Amino acid sequence: AQSVTQLGSHVSVSEGALVLLRCNYSSSVPPYLFWYVQYPNQGLQLLLKYTSAATLVKGINGFEAEFKKSETSFHLTKPSAHMSDAAEYFCAVNPPGDDKIIFGKGTRLHILP
Amino acid sequence: GAGVSQSPSNKVTEKGKDVELRCDPISGHTALYWYRQSLGQGLEFLIYFQGNSAPDKSGLPSDRFSAERTGGSVSTLTIQRTQQEDSAVYLCASSPRGDTQYFGPGTRLTVL
Repeated sequence: AQSVTQLGSHVSVSEGALVLLRCNYSSSVPPYLFWYVQYPNQGLQLLLKYTSAATLVKGINGFEAEFKKSETSFHLTKPSAHMSDAAEYFCAVNPPGDDKIIFGKGTRLHILP
Repeated sequence: GAGVSQSPSNKVTEKGKDVELRCDPISGHTALYWYRQSLGQGLEFLIYFQGNSAPDKSGLPSDRFSAERTGGSVSTLTIQRTQQEDSAVYLCASSPRGDTQYFGPGTRLTVL
């Protein structure tokens, strides 16, 4: 069965520092991959998605993610954290031929002043 | 354009009562999903509708939970005889089939 693993339920970084949120998936065939962000008391919003085109995907708010097939990873990065980035981030996978999307358990990002 | 809307935004009920949660998807989206998000937990898949196909109910936690989608549009999630462990945020999402899901703001359910 497909699965998504997000390493670290909580990550803290200083304002201006690099943000790295880790995501690994299990799939024998490269799936579609997504990162969503959830701000407090809101629904989920798409940050970016990978659909087998370029392996480096740029999203909104300065975030990007790189698909690495050899590592079955899709880590999310941002060069310089901003206070407004504090939120919960979900990695998700859409297996080929399947209409459902499987979500990871989420990583809560804390930004330290 | 209009996004996914959900109502009510907050619902407080007493243990044992039935509740209905509503989701209005984006017009033209054939797929509709319900998820449950409990404090400190990820997204728990509940049920998935795709067009006129039979829904995928594999995520419903018990027979107290049911959902329907009328006319391929609006969906209602019903929880009968609510229990305190049902307290959570219930999220609805729609998509143009297997693609990006667009989420509503959720309904926060509190069972006293």
